[in-house]
Amino acid sequence: GAVVSQHPSWVICKSGTSVKIECRSLDFQATTMFWYRQFPKQSLMLMATSNEGSKATYEQGVEKDKFLINHASLTLSTLTVTSAHPEDSSFYICSARDWELETQYFGPGTRLLVL
Amino acid sequence: AQKITQTQPGMFVQEKEAVTLDCTYDTSDPSYGLFWYKQPSSGEMIFLIYQGSYDQQNATEGRYSLNFQKARKSANLVISASQLGDSAMYFCAMREGLNAGGTSYGKLTFGQGTILTVHP
Repeated sequence: GAVVSQHPSWVICKSGTSVKIECRSLDFQATTMFWYRQFPKQSLMLMATSNEGSKATYEQGVEKDKFLINHASLTLSTLTVTSAHPEDSSFYICSARDWELETQYFGPGTRLLVL
Repeated sequence: AQKITQTQPGMFVQEKEAVTLDCTYDTSDPSYGLFWYKQPSSGEMIFLIYQGSYDQQNATEGRYSLNFQKARKSANLVISASQLGDSAMYFCAMREGLNAGGTSYGKLTFGQGTILTVHP
């Protein structure tokens, strides 16, 4: 089946630093990838839709300059949390869409802790 | 307005019994897809089952079946013969919009989730 990988799975960083998270579709081409954020015991909140070769579409309330998204190839999207602060600590999950199928596959997630 | 509603914050079921997790949705789009995902404590989102709005038959995948009541806008997940490994958070999600080729556009909107606990 389709596999989406995410790296790193865990990251602890100091406040003020930037963190990059990679999302890869391993056995299919993903023209569209999605980035979600999830707090403990809560639902997934869509942050942005990443389209290969074009600018990402951000959801209302998500800071574009804070969460930089790049989708440079059909298999890779990156999310960079710039100048991270403790309130950015969360579980970030990417999702990639296989256009030949109706489903959407998720990566294993990245737990970010900002000290 | 909430597009996907899961009214059961938590559910408990005895091992080997069946359990139904409720999901109702709200959309004016005639073309949409409904999904169920399982999220164990590891955090990974595991795809379980999909139902398209035009599908005549209820979707089934092994022990999972989707009770699709289109007029009532409900898409309940039924898990038969529960196992201890089924204990997890379960999310219902909807994607709205289909293009002419039948492939969906649009983002997934998730419900609040239901925590299922299976007792031995």
